[in-house]
Amino acid sequence: GDSVTQMEGPVTLSEEAFLTINCTYTATGYPSLFWYVQYPGEGLQLLLKATKADDKGSNKGFEATYRKETTSFHLEKGSVQVSDSAVYFCALRIYGNNRLAFGKGNQVVVIP
Amino acid sequence: EPEVTQTPSHQVTQMGQEVILRCVPISNHLYFYWYRQILGQKVEFLVSFYNNEISEKSEIFDDQFSVERPDGSNFTLKIRSTKLEDSAMYFCASSRLAASTDTQYFGPGTRLTVL
Repeated sequence: GDSVTQMEGPVTLSEEAFLTINCTYTATGYPSLFWYVQYPGEGLQLLLKATKADDKGSNKGFEATYRKETTSFHLEKGSVQVSDSAVYFCALRIYGNNRLAFGKGNQVVVIP
Repeated sequence: EPEVTQTPSHQVTQMGQEVILRCVPISNHLYFYWYRQILGQKVEFLVSFYNNEISEKSEIFDDQFSVERPDGSNFTLKIRSTKLEDSAMYFCASSRLAASTDTQYFGPGTRLTVL
C-alpha cells in the first residue's frame, strides 16, 4: 500500500544549526508530497509541497525536493531558530485518492 | 486568514457512550475529511465527504462511525458506542478541490479520552 517512512526519534539541535529530516515513500500510483508542521497546541499546517518529480517545495527557509529515483522527500533548513521547534510530518496523496498518508512525525527541539 | 475550527478541544466520555465531534470547515471549501492520531502513532485517514456523501473511507471507519453536514457550515463525526481504543486526537480538514495536488487545511483537533 501507500506509506511514508520518517527517520526515528526526536531531533534536538542548537540554534543556527542545519536541519535534515528524512522522508521516504512507497506509492502504488503517482503521488503528490507534502510536509506539514504542528506547533505546540495547534493543528497541522502545510509547510510545503511538491506535485511532480524534481519539483522543489520551499517555505519559511525550509526546502524539500521530490526525488522519484530514490522515492524521497527530505526536509532541510540551513539555519534553524527556536521558533522552528515543532513536530514535522511528511505525507503523500495519490492521484485519484482523497486520503493523505502520513509518516509518524519527528519532534524537533531547537535549543538557544 | 480563514481556518478550520473544531469543538470541543477535549472530550472525556465513558465507554459505550455516543460522542459527536464538531468541525467548521473553511467556508468556500467543498471537500471535508476526518483523520485521527492515536498517541504515539501515525495520523490516519478516516473518511472524506463531498456533496453530502462519503467519497472514500478507510477500514477504520466502521459502522460505529458516521459523518454528517447538518447545515451549511458544520461537519460532524459521530461515534455511536465509544471503545477505549477510540481514544485519540481527531482532526478535521477541508479542501477547495479534490485534486491530489490541492492542500488539505487542518483544524487544531479534538482530544477524545474514553474511560
